[in-house]
Amino acid sequence: NAGVMQNPRHLVRRRGQEARLRCSPMKGHSHVYWYRQLPEEGLKFMVYLQKENIIDESGMPKERFSAEFPKEGPSILRIQQVVRGDSAAYFCASSPVDSLSYEQYFGPGTRLTVT
Amino acid sequence: KNQVEQSPQSLIILEGKNCTLQCNYTVSPFSNLRWYKQDTGRGPVSLTIMTFSENTKSNGRYTATLDADTKQSSLHITASQLSDSASYICVVSAGGYQKVTFGTGTKLQVIP
Repeated sequence: NAGVMQNPRHLVRRRGQEARLRCSPMKGHSHVYWYRQLPEEGLKFMVYLQKENIIDESGMPKERFSAEFPKEGPSILRIQQVVRGDSAAYFCASSPVDSLSYEQYFGPGTRLTVT
Repeated sequence: KNQVEQSPQSLIILEGKNCTLQCNYTVSPFSNLRWYKQDTGRGPVSLTIMTFSENTKSNGRYTATLDADTKQSSLHITASQLSDSASYICVVSAGGYQKVTFGTGTKLQVIP
């Protein structure tokens, strides 16, 4: 059973470009969470999705950021018109449908660098 | 405001020694507390998870304790190994699924 997969692992974008980060949850997991980690800071919750639904996006900036988790395929975190402040590590986590403790399994992260 | 504070920020210990990391939280309502290990350049990996009714849980050389009254948790590592060098993150969940608050972590370095 493969773990949570994220790609790309490293992404470099120039200011104003778009960044697309992908997350494939563990097999059997239908809950996906995205977190951002700035250098020397803790992870910050961004968005929680289930298949085809955004459950909570309270941690995601209102502008330029969007997330989806389609019926088929990976979850996508999309950042439009990136700025230098978007440079961070973005982690995706997944949990199974029936997890009472909502144990989350993290992917290796995507490191976004905006030049 | 929900907060999770960890101490110390960083720690250097000799291989084979024990250490204890601390976590204080002000998260309400409390659902569960988890300790994660994050190696440099990797995602966090779960070590332990505890609910309100649990006050200790072990995972090999890692033992976590929880005092829900004082809102404190500790992670004790025994007989440290070089591979224990990592950041250890305390994460507290409020009200279920994802209302998680992460601590900034304790960076542990184990030296020979």
